[in-house]
Amino acid sequence: DAKTTQPTSMDCAEGRAANLPCNHSTISGNEYVYWYRQIHSQGPQYIIHGLKNNETNEMASLIITEDRKSSTLILPHATLRDTAVYYCIVRVGNNDMRFGAGTRLTVKP
Amino acid sequence: GAVVSQHPSWVICKSGTSVKIECRSLDFQATTMFWYRQFPKQSLMLMATSNEGSKATYEQGVEKDKFLINHASLTLSTLTVTSAHPEDSSFYICSALGGQPTEAFFGQGTRLTVV
Repeated sequence: DAKTTQPTSMDCAEGRAANLPCNHSTISGNEYVYWYRQIHSQGPQYIIHGLKNNETNEMASLIITEDRKSSTLILPHATLRDTAVYYCIVRVGNNDMRFGAGTRLTVKP
Repeated sequence: GAVVSQHPSWVICKSGTSVKIECRSLDFQATTMFWYRQFPKQSLMLMATSNEGSKATYEQGVEKDKFLINHASLTLSTLTVTSAHPEDSSFYICSALGGQPTEAFFGQGTRLTVV
């Protein structure tokens, strides 16, 4: 019962930008968009989050559409170590985080 | 960033025994912690939400008497798998909420194998 939909898998060439889309058409006004990734056999790692405005940090950029119904996570220069499953989640406050299937990103040399 | 430590990172136990997994927030206080289970090649499945000082809220289909959760302090939550069976073998992950707006920080996970 995740509130987001993502492509099952994507490939990206090393050194190129990886653009991972996420649809969250039922997002409510106070829900944030969070992105996490999970490298094999590890706990999820926080990447970035946003509400309305685009956000950028040392790991990635988050582009949220004006209607907030979708977003894109951008890894500007993907490396082999970015190969992971990427999860897009919407939540507010102390509400629980439910994971969808995520996108399995494979960065290829 | 905030650190959540989960222990042990892996454990093998005999069928019928109980196993306790600890989840600690090392540098922040977490009033809310979540426990997840993940089977191979699947996503994380929320098992329960744990609030400090109160009973955990379990997701539908998760047996509360089998998966005992205790959140006695603001920095520690434990998950005990009682009378473990081979089908309980899985990757268990905890998450703790902290910061503003509240962010979720994850432990490194515990791989449980029941033989």
